[in-house]
Amino acid sequence: QVQLVQSGAEVKRPGASVKVSCKASGYTFTSYYIHWVRQAPGQGLEWMGIINPSVPSTSYAQKFQGRVTMTRDASTSTVYMELSSLTSDDTAVYYCARDREGSFYFDYWGQGTLVTVSS
Amino acid sequence: NFMLTQPHSVSESPGKTVTISCTGSSGSIASNYVQWYQQRPGSAPTTVIYEDNQRPSGVPDRFSGSIDSSSNSASLSISGLKTEDEADYYCQSYDNSNQGVFGGGTKLTVL
Repeated sequence: QVQLVQSGAEVKRPGASVKVSCKASGYTFTSYYIHWVRQAPGQGLEWMGIINPSVPSTSYAQKFQGRVTMTRDASTSTVYMELSSLTSDDTAVYYCARDREGSFYFDYWGQGTLVTVSS
Repeated sequence: NFMLTQPHSVSESPGKTVTISCTGSSGSIASNYVQWYQQRPGSAPTTVIYEDNQRPSGVPDRFSGSIDSSSNSASLSISGLKTEDEADYYCQSYDNSNQGVFGGGTKLTVL
């Protein structure tokens, strides 16, 4: 069965970086795009960007340009999202989600990773 | 920037029908598919409608989606409301620059 399993919760200081992983299984890794979506406490969902694991190519939300990097390791079927220059506003649950056919339809989601930014 | 606007909250009684709207800020909402996600507290979102009006397997036919080009909006309707339908619902699409967009979310209360 399709699974996206994310790395565990992180606590970071302001100004630091965080790297969250998303390990895929149950399907052909390079055949589906992966998106990253975050959700601040009590807030809505926010799209961060997309990676095409087969090329690889990326596209980021304008808000995160210059601060986010999405990469992949095809040998382990894992996608990574690194966010730098963290502030308290980056405290959120970060989700990876699989994109069916590049249509921006997120058919499977990871369980989420809580990133807390605090001094 | 393309935005999707949803009501902050809706409420309805069990057994009734509720409709949640999602209005596009510009262009035509019909240009790109709209999805709807359900999110319960502490859980990841799950899909209830994809590609405007398609239901994933396992989602009951009480859930339906539609597009109204005249009002540039998408709608999610849930009939025969059950208490288990109480959750946050998000519409989602993307803009012409291939940037993903979510609506702000609607809290559904079944009382």
